[in-house]
Amino acid sequence: GAVVSQHPSRVICKSGTSVKIECRSLDFQATTMFWYRQFPKQSLMLMATSNEGSKATYEQGVEKDKFLINHASLTLSTLTVTSAHPEDSSFYICSASAGDHNSPLHFGNGTRLTVT
Amino acid sequence: GDSVTQMEGPVTLSEEAFLTINCTYTATGYPSLFWYVQYPGEGLQLLLKATKADDKGSNKGFEATYRKETTSFHLEKGSVQVSDSAVYFCALSGAQKLVFGQGTRLTINP
Repeated sequence: GAVVSQHPSRVICKSGTSVKIECRSLDFQATTMFWYRQFPKQSLMLMATSNEGSKATYEQGVEKDKFLINHASLTLSTLTVTSAHPEDSSFYICSASAGDHNSPLHFGNGTRLTVT
Repeated sequence: GDSVTQMEGPVTLSEEAFLTINCTYTATGYPSLFWYVQYPGEGLQLLLKATKADDKGSNKGFEATYRKETTSFHLEKGSVQVSDSAVYFCALSGAQKLVFGQGTRLTINP
């Protein structure tokens, strides 16, 4: 079945540095990719939606200058957390879709970011 | 806006017990409904889905029926196993994106 690979699975960085998280669709072309953030014991919060070749659409309250999203190809989207702070520590999950909203989303395994 | 409400967890059951996790939704139009499962340290996996009223989604012994009249999509399984321990998320598709419930942590004891 369709596989989405997310890398790295865990990352620890120092406050003030930037971290890049990659999301790849391995056996299908992802026209749309989504980035979620999950706080402990809470649901997933959609951060942004990205379509290949166009600017990402950010949800209300998400800082686009802090969470840079690039969807340069049909198989790769990246999320860069810039100037990370401890409050950015969270579990980030990407998902990808090959079609419309009835097409199932395929999720990556997530990235645990810890900012010290 | 669209929203999903799940029964609060955590839920702890013994092996072979009957499981129900309630899910209700609020949406404009006719969304598709999904159940996702998240095993420890992993991303989400689609468990089952239903795209229209009265549809029943099923997978791995789990079932859920799309009930338009009660705006519900309750997850059921007749006999749970230890390997079913995970967090379960109910979701709906609206405006080209998924809206998730808060998740229900399920623990099955042997």
